[in-house]
Amino acid sequence: ETGVTQTPRHLVMGMTNKKSLKCEQHLGHNAMYWYKQSAKKPLELMFVYSLEERVENNSVPSRFSPECPNSSHLFLHLHTLQPEDSALYLCASSQDWTSGSETQYFGPGTRLLVL
Amino acid sequence: GENVEQHPSTLSVQEGDSAVIKCTYSDSASNYFPWYKQELGKGPQLIIDIRSNVGEKKDQRIAVTLNKTAKHFSLHITETQPEDSAVYFCAAVVDTGRRALTFGSGTRLQVQP
Repeated sequence: ETGVTQTPRHLVMGMTNKKSLKCEQHLGHNAMYWYKQSAKKPLELMFVYSLEERVENNSVPSRFSPECPNSSHLFLHLHTLQPEDSALYLCASSQDWTSGSETQYFGPGTRLLVL
Repeated sequence: GENVEQHPSTLSVQEGDSAVIKCTYSDSASNYFPWYKQELGKGPQLIIDIRSNVGEKKDQRIAVTLNKTAKHFSLHITETQPEDSAVYFCAAVVDTGRRALTFGSGTRLQVQP
């Protein structure tokens, strides 16, 4: 595997629920990313953390709240989601954020269904 | 911002045939172009990449070509095998400044045995 793990792998939640997605990387990387992958749409970058600081917020609604307590862990806290938020949420990491050509290593994703 | 278009959206070939996937990009400042393969139940994995100072790059059965003037780049897979069946994504990025990858919408490749 790639060294990036995500839990849970599948999640069903109601619109009033609060849940969190977890990502852990075992590669010693300094940058971590959240992407949203919807059917028949390109991967959408949501957030970037470099050395535990958020360096990119791609106009994501506030119902998605990221947290990066250390360089190995990344969370995505979810609350009052909408059905259109149903998607595959992918976490990735790279050595650092200084260059766009750093290889990004993706986790397997969390398949989220919002009812 | 950058816009990447990818074609075709689906591609079916016979085992042993070649497969070609094409992408175009809009930002002439883009200078790094990776290709990712995503198998069922897994995240995307980098399979090959190319920089703007190179016109072609090969790695065994996989090759990527870049035409900077026309702003398009292509993935070529020769002697396809069933295990090549997956979704392939192209991406483009400006190596400095805003360094976020912009992905194409993906091509589902099916290799028929």
